[in-house]
Amino acid sequence: QVQLVQSGAEVKKPGSSVKVSCKTSGSTFSSYAISWLRQAPGQGLEWVGAIMPIFGSTKYTQRFQGRISIIADESTSTVYMELNSLRSEDTAIYYCAREPSPDFDVLTSSYTSSSFFDFWGQGTLVTVSS
Amino acid sequence: EIVLTQSAGALSMSPGERATLSCRASQSINSDYLAWYQHRPGQAPRLLIYAASSRATGIPDRFSGSGSGTDFTLTISRLEPEDFAVYYCQHRGTFGQGTKVEIK
Repeated sequence: QVQLVQSGAEVKKPGSSVKVSCKTSGSTFSSYAISWLRQAPGQGLEWVGAIMPIFGSTKYTQRFQGRISIIADESTSTVYMELNSLRSEDTAIYYCAREPSPDFDVLTSSYTSSSFFDFWGQGTLVTVSS
Repeated sequence: EIVLTQSAGALSMSPGERATLSCRASQSINSDYLAWYQHRPGQAPRLLIYAASSRATGIPDRFSGSGSGTDFTLTISRLEPEDFAVYYCQHRGTFGQGTKVEIK
């Protein structure tokens, strides 16, 4: 049974960093991509970025470029998302989700685009407040 | 960048009714990359439909998806109490703004 289990809620000061983990089980870790998405209060879903562990390839949405890092630890089947220079607008529930059929460029071994998300973590509330 | 517009922000319906939710893309998209999710408060989103019309594993057959090009539809044939939730369409990294199906 596929499971994604995320780390617990975080409260952070503006300007600091947060690192959220997503431990996967029940499927071959390297065969899929893992995306991070978020939902701010009263807002819809927003894709943040993704990693394809088999290639170590990452892609981030433009507005987070330079502030975000997603890494994968294959030894523990865990993916981490770190967001820096936190602002109050980053207050949201952050989800990790598995992509069973990601788009990737075979020639460059790079993740190019998400497809759909079939299993999700339970969500991690990140609150940014002074 | 493609924008997905879900025309109804909310639908007030009764259990047993048929619900039809729409999602319009700002330009023609490959239907292989159109998915629908159900999101209940306090829970993670749940994949219902992928590739526009394929039901995800374990999804009841009262949920169906259709459409191509720019216009896509999620239909719930008979609303059950647990179906009252927010529904999102998704294409690649873009989500619609969501349609809340609420009890009348």
